[in-house]
Parts: sequence; C-alpha cells; structure tokens
Amino acid sequence: AQSVAQPEDQVNVAEGNPLTVKCTYSVSGNPYLFWYVQYPNRGLQFLLKYITGDNLVKGSYGFEAEFNKSQTSFHLKKPSALVSDSALYFCAVRGLSFQKLVFGTGTRLLVSP
Amino acid sequence: EPEVTQTPSHQVTQMGQEVILRCVPISNHLYFYWYRQILGQKVEFLVSFYNNEISEKSEIFDDQFSVERPDGSNFTLKIRSTKLEDSAMYFCASSKEMNTEAFFGQGTRLTVV
Repeated sequence: AQSVAQPEDQVNVAEGNPLTVKCTYSVSGNPYLFWYVQYPNRGLQFLLKYITGDNLVKGSYGFEAEFNKSQTSFHLKKPSALVSDSALYFCAVRGLSFQKLVFGTGTRLLVSP
Repeated sequence: EPEVTQTPSHQVTQMGQEVILRCVPISNHLYFYWYRQILGQKVEFLVSFYNNEISEKSEIFDDQFSVERPDGSNFTLKIRSTKLEDSAMYFCASSKEMNTEAFFGQGTRLTVV
C-alpha cells in the first residue's frame, strides 16, 4: 500500500533563512512524488514532481526537492524563505500501477518577518 | 493559464438530500479525479475517471457516490443521499496523462446539516 509521512505538523522559519519540509514515502516499485501547496480557502497548487532522472528537482516559486531512494524521502527545500511562502504543504505519492495520489497529512509552514 | 473550475464554491444541504458537484477540467486533459478533505484532515482520493468510465475508486466511493461526464466539458460528482459525515471540501482535478501532475480546482465546501 502507498503511504506518505510528513513528520512535522508545523515548521517555523525566519524570512531569508533556508527551509526544509520533510516527507517520507512507502510504495511498491518506483514512486512518482509530488509537492502541492494550499493557501487559505484555496485549492491545491502543484509545486514540483519527481518521476525519473535527476534526484534534485526544481519547481515553482524557487522551491526544490531532493529524491533519496535509500531513505525513501522527498524533502522540500528553499534556500531563502519569504513571508508569502507561509501556507500548508502536502507531499503526495503515486505508485506505478495506480492513478490515485496518496497525500501526507500536510505541514504548515510559517515564515516570520 | 488554463485551470480547473468548480461550482458551487459552497453548498449547504440537508441530510438525506442529493447533491451534485460540478467541475470543468482543463480542456485537453484526459484523466479526471475527485478528492475530498474533511476539515483538519488529509486529502483523500475518491475516484478517477478515464475514457468515460471509472478507472479507480477508493473504499470511500460507495454506492452513494457516482460520477459522470455528461458532455465534453463537465465532470460531476453526485452524492445520492447525503450524510453528516459527507461534510468536507471536495476537490476536482485533472491531468493530461496518467503519469503527469494533476491540477486541482478551488474546491466545493459541502456542509450537510
């Protein structure tokens, strides 16, 4: 069965500092991994994905994520956080044979000025 | 930029009533999905739809639920007899291909009273 763990309910970081939002996954076979962001009263916005290829993937708004197969992780990173990055971040995984995305519980990112 | 649109944004209904949630996926997308997010909980997969039929569904998607693509643009989710526990935010999503990212609508907040 597919599953995603986001161990932190909330991450606090000061503006200008680097940020990391953690995600680990479990899936049979090769994973398709995604990060989505949700702003208040909004839908889920796609940030980036890993399908195959380079372990470091770059996405929207300066975000990037590193796929680590041995640690089954796909942590979201940004070198310099902005106050406007404050939102709810979801990691999701899809197995090769499935169409459904399985989401983590979400991590609230709070960037302070 | 093309987007997934959902109507209505908020629906209040009495327990036992039927509701239809509407979605217009991105026009050249072939795969369509419904997800839901109960307040404070994670996003859960309900159903995927491809080539005019359900291709995958979760255990949540029981006989009370149905989906339809009545014309070339709309994709609907019907809940036949709503229960209090159906109260949630319902997200429609679409993707161009099975292996590409899904784009989500803004959601319909369903409140069953």
